[in-house]
Order: sequence, then C-alpha cells, then structure tokens
Amino acid sequence: KQEVTQIPAALSVPEGENLVLNCSFTDSAIYNLQWFRQDPGKGLTSLLLIQSSQREQTSGRLNASLDKSSGRSTLYIAASQPGDSATYLCAVASGTYKYIFGTGTRLKVLA
Amino acid sequence: NAGVMQNPRHLVRRRGQEARLRCSPMKGHSHVYWYRQLPEEGLKFMVYLQKENIIDESGMPKERFSAEFPKEGPSILRIQQVVRGDSAAYFCASSSTSSGSTGGELFFGEGSRLTVL
Repeated sequence: KQEVTQIPAALSVPEGENLVLNCSFTDSAIYNLQWFRQDPGKGLTSLLLIQSSQREQTSGRLNASLDKSSGRSTLYIAASQPGDSATYLCAVASGTYKYIFGTGTRLKVLA
Repeated sequence: NAGVMQNPRHLVRRRGQEARLRCSPMKGHSHVYWYRQLPEEGLKFMVYLQKENIIDESGMPKERFSAEFPKEGPSILRIQQVVRGDSAAYFCASSSTSSGSTGGELFFGEGSRLTVL
C-alpha cells in the first residue's frame, strides 16, 4: 500500500530565501508524481508533473526532482515571495492509477 | 477552455438528508476522480471513474455513498442519509488519460463544501 509523507509539516521563511520541500513514498513503482499548491478555502493548482521516466521538471522559480529508487521527490522554490504562501501537496500515482496524497507542507513566506 | 467545474460550492444539509455533488470535467477529459478533505487533513481518495464505468471505488464507504459518470452530463457524487461526520470538502479532479500513462496530469475543481447540521 502506497504511503506518502511530506516533511516538514510547516515552514516559515523570510522573503527571498531559497527553500526545499520534501516528499517521500514507500512504493517506488510509480507512474507519475505531481506537486500542487492549495490556498486556504480553495482548490488545488497543479505546479509540476514528473513522469516516472523523468528526473526533474522546471517551471519558473520552481524545480521538482524525482528519485524513484530512494522513494523521494523534492520541490525547490527559488527566491521565495509572500505570494508563495500556501500549502504544498505531493501526490503519487501508482497501483490502480489513483493519486495518493501526502498531508502537505504549510509554507509561510514573511515580507 | 473552462477548468473543472464543481457545484454547488457550498451545501448545507440536515442529518438524514441527501447531498448531491456535481462535477463537470475539463473539455476532452474522460477520467474523473473524487477526493474528500477533512479540516486540517490531506486529501483522501474516494473513487475513480471513466465514462459509464467505475474503475476504482476502494476509498468510498460501502454504505450511503455512490458515484456515477454517465455518458452525457456531469459526474455525480451522492451521499444518502448524511451524518455530521460527512462534513468535509469534496474535490473533483479530471485528466485526459489514466494517471498510469504518459501525461495523466490531474486538474482540480474548487471543491464543494458540505456542512451537515
């Protein structure tokens, strides 16, 4: 049974800092891994999708890496801004094609 | 191209009533997923459907809950005889392909927030 863990659960950083969010999963036989952000009371916004054959994906200030053998993914956010404050969720697709979510990292970027 | 549309956004029901939540996937998407999010918790998978078929309902309670995705029209998540513990945000996501194939990116709606009095 796939389990997804995100560390840390919460993070508070000053504006401009580079930061790394971690996601680990127990079953390395995955199809895709996707990172999302969720603002309070809102839906989820897709940030990056990494397919199992890929090692990383980049979009603007965001870079996500995938190491299937160790069961880990990281989301790197460069030059953080107050607008980046949100909950970041990692989701892994494996087994019967459903995405399993971690519990998220709540990020606060201080101005 | 409109995103995933969910309605109603907010729904209040008394214990014992029925709740019907609707989800229209993105245009061209034939794969629909329903998730439930309790306050301060992560998203829990409920059901995965393709047009006219339930592919995986392993996360859905056996009683009172049902889901469908008909050939025409939106996907419906139906909760009968609601109880206070059903209060949660219910999210729908769609994709153009299965999450097990190339692509398979999920796109989410804004959610339907159910409150049971």
